[in-house]
Amino acid sequence: GDSVTQMEGPVTLSEEAFLTINCTYTATGYPSLFWYVQYPGEGLQLLLKATKADDKGSNKGFEATYRKETTSFHLEKGSVQVSDSAVYFCALYSGGSNYKLTFGKGTLLTVNP
Amino acid sequence: DSGVTQTPKHLITATGQRVTLRCSPRSGDLSVYWYQQSLDQGLQFLIQYYNGEERAKGNILERFSAQQFPDLHSELNLSSLELGDSALYFCASSPPGTGGRETQYFGPGTRLLVL
Repeated sequence: GDSVTQMEGPVTLSEEAFLTINCTYTATGYPSLFWYVQYPGEGLQLLLKATKADDKGSNKGFEATYRKETTSFHLEKGSVQVSDSAVYFCALYSGGSNYKLTFGKGTLLTVNP
Repeated sequence: DSGVTQTPKHLITATGQRVTLRCSPRSGDLSVYWYQQSLDQGLQFLIQYYNGEERAKGNILERFSAQQFPDLHSELNLSSLELGDSALYFCASSPPGTGGRETQYFGPGTRLLVL
């Protein structure tokens, strides 16, 4: 079945540091890939997505590239801010008769000033 | 604001009781999805409805049921509640037309505490 593996947190960085959160997946077919973010006390917000191999999703300085050969979708940001502190979820949608999103366990990011 | 609304925001109840969670999807979206977020299981898909009909089922317990009404709002009913049902329940919706590959937009969630 489908699965998503994220690097375990928590991740603690200083402001302006470089961020990478690793995400790899197992899926049938050609899944769409997503990063969602959950700020403290809030729901999930879509951060970015990619729907086919070599696509790059980007938003708010975050980027992730769909790598089919390594089945990966790593999240990166060049310079994090305190306001980026949140839980980040990698997810996939593999289509067919299965309409669900499969999520990783989430990575807690804390950015210190 | 995603445009998906959920009520109530918080719910505290006792074991053995029954509760109903409500979700209104974004305007124009026909699909509604329910997810459960707990510390031990993470985010788990429960069930999906499309335009009033059940389309896909995930790890939903028999004590749980859902439906989608003609106005497209959805309700998730949880009965014979147990301590382990304490979790954050999310509703999401997505626009029609592309078989679900499109983005799912999440509501703020209902936090259920069973005492």
